[in-house]
Amino acid sequence: AQSVTQPDIHITVSEGASLELRCNYSYGATPYLFWYVQSPGQGLQLLLKYFSGDTLVQGIKGFEAEFKRSQSSFNLRKPSVHWSDAAEYFCAVGAGETSGSRLTFGEGTQLTVNP
Amino acid sequence: DGGITQSPKYLFRKEGQNVTLSCEQNLNHDAMYWYRQDPGQGLRLIYYSQIVNDFQKGDIAEGYSVSREKKESFPLTVTSAQKNPTAFYLCASSPGLGLTDTQYFGPGTRLTVL
Repeated sequence: AQSVTQPDIHITVSEGASLELRCNYSYGATPYLFWYVQSPGQGLQLLLKYFSGDTLVQGIKGFEAEFKRSQSSFNLRKPSVHWSDAAEYFCAVGAGETSGSRLTFGEGTQLTVNP
Repeated sequence: DGGITQSPKYLFRKEGQNVTLSCEQNLNHDAMYWYRQDPGQGLRLIYYSQIVNDFQKGDIAEGYSVSREKKESFPLTVTSAQKNPTAFYLCASSPGLGLTDTQYFGPGTRLTVL
């Protein structure tokens, strides 16, 4: 079965600083990888996804992520963080089953942005 | 606007009562899902449905039930058999259950058992 690990429960950065959120996955075949963001009390919004092809994926709100098969990682990055980026971020891996795909989520990383 | 709606936003229940959470989508998606979210944890899949009148148990289905009588609706009932129902519940939908079918989420319902 697939699994996702987000090693950092909470990260604090200053506004304007760069950001990297870590995600490691475990899955035997080629994974389908996603990053979602959740504002307090809200649903999840898709930031970006990786299915195949170029390993550097661009998403919304200036985010990007890089798939590294050798490290089983899919880290999320942003060059300059804005105060509005404060939220919880979830990495997820999709895997096929006979009855269809299933998403497995990491436990999330809470991002705090200091002014 | 196309999207997923969940109601109510907040729900309070007394112990021993069943309660039903609503989820409606107008995205014309075939697949729908229910997740439970607890503080400090990721999302855990309760039930999912690929098509009308068909649904499958997820990882934590005990104490929950669903129905899929219409394509756009996938209500979740939290029964009295659910031992710890206080949580944030998220509904999602996707075009299908294929590996490249991205899931889109509703705003969630926060259930509190008094």
